[in-house]
Amino acid sequence: DIQMTQSPSSMSASVGDRVTITCRASQGINRWLAWYQQKPGKAPKLLIYGASTLESGVPSRFSGSGSGTDFTLTISSLQPEDFATYYCQQGIGIPRTFGQGTRLEIK
Amino acid sequence: QVHLQESGPGLVKPSETLSLTCTVSGDSTSSRSYRWAWIRQSPGTGLEWIGEIYYDGTTDYNPSLKSRLIISLDTSKNEFSLRLTSVTAADTAVFFCARHYGNNYDYWGQGILVTVS
Repeated sequence: DIQMTQSPSSMSASVGDRVTITCRASQGINRWLAWYQQKPGKAPKLLIYGASTLESGVPSRFSGSGSGTDFTLTISSLQPEDFATYYCQQGIGIPRTFGQGTRLEIK
Repeated sequence: QVHLQESGPGLVKPSETLSLTCTVSGDSTSSRSYRWAWIRQSPGTGLEWIGEIYYDGTTDYNPSLKSRLIISLDTSKNEFSLRLTSVTAADTAVFFCARHYGNNYDYWGQGILVTVS
């Protein structure tokens, strides 16, 4: 299985901050990487696919980059509605695997 | 607007079979563009991909569950189903169904909590 490791596991930040979350794959996955946002009691929501393509309707303050094994999700200016848990997911191998999540909390 | 809705019992006894159905609206499970997936989430293991099915019935399963798992498709009802046999407390989770497009999951059901006890 391809292991996906996110860092940090949790972090606190303030509204307006720039935040970066990283995801590392245990083997190369080209750009087959997606990012999701999940709020308590809700299903994950697709934010970014193909490592850097923004899903329709997702605010442009979200961006993704990377290829191979190392990827980042950046939120350029945190908004109150962005406090949630974020997951990466690889889409090249079976089984599909997710990172363990990064919980983003209000400072 | 694509909508997925999970249904099934919220409580299953140990050693019995967990059965869930996902009803799809706003899209067709017979479309060749998508796969239809099951994903679960528990506090201890995070998000775990269970498996998925293509319009022609082709399946991919998580090897860790493959011996206990069947995913099936009923295009006439526009739904797909999950059967997981010989469940234990470790199978307690929120189960999501989702549409798989381009190697990611773009539409999800709201999730259903299944407790094994």
